[in-house]
Amino acid sequence: DADVTQTPRNRITKTGKRIMLECSQTKGHDRMYWYRQDPGLGLQLIYYSFDVKDINKGEISDGYSVSRQAQAKFSLSLESAIPNQTALYFCATSDPPGTSESTDTQYFGPGTRLTVL
Amino acid sequence: DQQVKQNSPSLSVQEGRISILNCDYTNSMFDYFLWYKKYPAEGPTFLISISSIKDKNEDGRFTVFLNKSAKHLSLHIVPSQPGDSAVYFCADININTGKLIFGQGTTLQVKP
Repeated sequence: DADVTQTPRNRITKTGKRIMLECSQTKGHDRMYWYRQDPGLGLQLIYYSFDVKDINKGEISDGYSVSRQAQAKFSLSLESAIPNQTALYFCATSDPPGTSESTDTQYFGPGTRLTVL
Repeated sequence: DQQVKQNSPSLSVQEGRISILNCDYTNSMFDYFLWYKKYPAEGPTFLISISSIKDKNEDGRFTVFLNKSAKHLSLHIVPSQPGDSAVYFCADININTGKLIFGQGTTLQVKP
């Protein structure tokens, strides 16, 4: 079974609709991240969370919100989707520094392809 | 701001030859960098990293070189195999937040 899972894998929606993307992990990591990937721009950080009570904005948080329901779950919401939010969305997890040899490595989910018409 | 740039969007090499992927950076906090590999329809997977105390790190066919004076790092794949065809991202890291700063990616195609 995959360590980091994302649902749905693909979604097509209309402008103005509310969308939620979900991420679950079985790695036991405290830190979770949401990124989006646009062609030619690499991955950009939307939000990140260090634990259940911690939420931080990333580079491109406008138009998005998140919820850390549990250590293993981190969901991303688009309250009113717009076409320029069409992208690939990735969830990632990592350990805090000092907890293991590979603390700086982030483990990514398979991605969600979102299309906003 | 920390920035990472991969100026070559694509690279094509013959199977068995060396692939060299390049990355330039500015304002790195700790000169610690990671390379990720991404296949279509999958998330990025960690490949190899390098820290400022080294100028080279090797793992099998993959070697990363760091030139701190030039603020440049490169990933060498020798010999290249068709299964290496993927998008490769270099990334800097903000140790305080764990945030990865990614380059734009380079698409590698290894031809049989």
